[in-house]
Amino acid sequence: NAGVMQNPRHLVRRRGQEARLRCSPMKGHSHVYWYRQLPEEGLKFMVYLQKENIIDESGMPKERFSAEFPKEGPSILRIQQVVRGDSAAYFCASSPGQGVGAFFGQGTRLTVV
Amino acid sequence: ELKVEQNPLFLSMQEGKNYTIYCNYSTTSDRLYWYRQDPGKSLESLFVLLSNGAVKQEGRLMASLDTKARLSTLHITAAVHDLSATYFCAVEPGTASKLTFGTGTRLQVTL
Repeated sequence: NAGVMQNPRHLVRRRGQEARLRCSPMKGHSHVYWYRQLPEEGLKFMVYLQKENIIDESGMPKERFSAEFPKEGPSILRIQQVVRGDSAAYFCASSPGQGVGAFFGQGTRLTVV
Repeated sequence: ELKVEQNPLFLSMQEGKNYTIYCNYSTTSDRLYWYRQDPGKSLESLFVLLSNGAVKQEGRLMASLDTKARLSTLHITAAVHDLSATYFCAVEPGTASKLTFGTGTRLQVTL
């Protein structure tokens, strides 16, 4: 059973471009969470999704950021018109149910130049 | 708003010594987690603490939870260099299903 798979592992974007981060949850997991980690800081919750539904997006910036978890395929975190402040590590986690411990992926390290 | 604070933020200790990392949180919580993160890596789950008085041990690490005091501790016994990493506690209140992380404690074990 493969773990939570994120790709790409590293992503470099110029200011103004779009970044797409992908997360394939563990087999049998229908709950996905995205977290952001700025350098030298802890992880901050962004969004919680189940298949085709956004359950909690209280940590998502109001503009430029969106997330989806379609019926088929990976969860996608999309950042439009990236700025330098978006440079961070973005971690995805998945769990089989609510209130069950989540497993984290390796993260995508986004660098905006 | 739930707040989670860890101290110390940085800890340098010699091999063989004991030390404790503290994690305080501001509201009632159902679950508390401890994670380890090596530089540039993901988070490795160490412990899940579910109830007041819970104590779990793995190797040189022992975690405990006092829900009345809203405090968890991670105790390191006879530290070895391999334990050098950043340790995070995280709190999951009720059925919120999202984790609020502490600021992390960077542990450096010197020879």
